[in-house]
Amino acid sequence: QLQLQESGPGLVKPSETLSLTCTVSGGSISSSSYYWGWIRQPPGKGLEWIGSIYYSGSTDYNPSLKSRVTMSVDTSKNHFSLKLSSVTAADTAVYYCARQASGNDYWGQGTLVTVSS
Amino acid sequence: EIVMTQSPATLSVSPGERATLSCRASQSVSSNLAWYQQKPGQAPRLLIYGASTRATGIPARFSGSGSGTEFTLTISSLQSEDFAVYYCQQYDNWPSYTFGQGTKLQIK
Repeated sequence: QLQLQESGPGLVKPSETLSLTCTVSGGSISSSSYYWGWIRQPPGKGLEWIGSIYYSGSTDYNPSLKSRVTMSVDTSKNHFSLKLSSVTAADTAVYYCARQASGNDYWGQGTLVTVSS
Repeated sequence: EIVMTQSPATLSVSPGERATLSCRASQSVSSNLAWYQQKPGQAPRLLIYGASTRATGIPARFSGSGSGTEFTLTISSLQSEDFAVYYCQQYDNWPSYTFGQGTKLQIK
C-alpha cells in the first residue's frame, strides 16, 4: 500500500523559507505514470494546488506562487521536496503531498505550517 | 487559468435523501474532472475521476456526470458518513490543475 508522509518544521518566521519533504513508501517515486504534487489548505478554507514534479525533475507550478516555489526530487531516497520563499502569514496552512494521475489518488496526512515570529 | 465554481456553497439534506452537487468550469475541461470528499482533520479522498469513474473502494451511491464545463456529483441515498465537504478539481491541463471552492454537505 502506497503511503506518503510530509515532514518539516511546523513554525516558520515571516520572510524566511518554508521547507517540506514528502517521503513515499510502498512504491517507487520513479514510476513513469505519475507526477507528485503539493497542495495546501489554509485553516477553514479550500484546497490550493502549489505545484507538481516528475521523477525526472520536470516541474509545473501554480502561477500565483511560481516566483516563490521550488520543487525537487531525490529518487535515491524516494522523496520529493518543496521550498516556498519569503513566507507571510497568508502561507499558514496544512500542506499535503499527493500522487497525481487522473486526480490525486494517494495523499499524505498533511502537516500544519504556521508562519509567525 | 481555469476557474472552477461549485454550487451551492452549503447544501442541507436529510439522511436517506439524494444530494446533487454542481461544478462549473470557466472553459471546457473535457472529462478531466475529479471529485473529492474531505472530513474534518483528514486529507481529501478521491471519489470520482474522469468525470464519472468511481475510484477504488468508493460505494456505488456516489456517481458523477457531465463533460465540458458542467459537472454533477450525485449521492443517491445519504448515509451519516457522507456529510462532509466536497471539492471538484480539473486536470485538463495536467499536471497543472485547479480546485473548486468546495460544497459543504450538512445534515438537514
